[in-house]
Amino acid sequence: DSGVTQTPKHLITATGQRVTLRCSPRSGDLSVYWYQQSLDQGLQFLIQYYNGEERAKGNILERFSAQQFPDLHSELNLSSLELGDSALYFCASSVGTGDYEQYFGPGTRLTVT
Amino acid sequence: LAKTTQPISMDSYEGQEVNITCSHNNIATNDYITWYQQFPSQGPRFIIQGYKTKVTNEVASLFIPADRKSSTLSLPRVSLSDTAVYYCLVGASFNKFYFGSGTKLNVKP
Repeated sequence: DSGVTQTPKHLITATGQRVTLRCSPRSGDLSVYWYQQSLDQGLQFLIQYYNGEERAKGNILERFSAQQFPDLHSELNLSSLELGDSALYFCASSVGTGDYEQYFGPGTRLTVT
Repeated sequence: LAKTTQPISMDSYEGQEVNITCSHNNIATNDYITWYQQFPSQGPRFIIQGYKTKVTNEVASLFIPADRKSSTLSLPRVSLSDTAVYYCLVGASFNKFYFGSGTKLNVKP
């Protein structure tokens, strides 16, 4: 158990819909990262927040957005969903930003039908 | 961006030592090299991190040559439970978190 929690575990929704994925980092960690992993693919970095501020941006689509709240939990919002958005979405946290060990949550499996 | 190149897959047998090499020709001076392990449908897990020469912990060793353009993860005496995908991560010092496609290690009995 990494100490990072993600909800929900599974999500099934239809194309065009909007969903919100939630992540609670390990206690004391200030950084939160979001990654997307499609079937049999590597991890694609989406976005990082550090202490409430956006810190780094990766291959995140304009239809996707995220935020980190004062209590440090984070939400990833996915809108106008397409079939290709079906994937595992991982959240990770670390104590700082940069070359710190990232602790990954169990992931949210999103299926868009 | 210090992109990485790893073999797509490797096979090994139980009890053997496995070495997985990662190339990172554009590594920056401040970059560390970090390796993660991922089992199917689970989040990756940190294995080891290093900057130069050799680092060893209870599960693996990491060898980094002087030019730091590559690194080798060494797993001693692998078991079936080491079957997983292994990623090397470089570039985090610039907040570039490029995991690449990883190396799929298959350990056979």
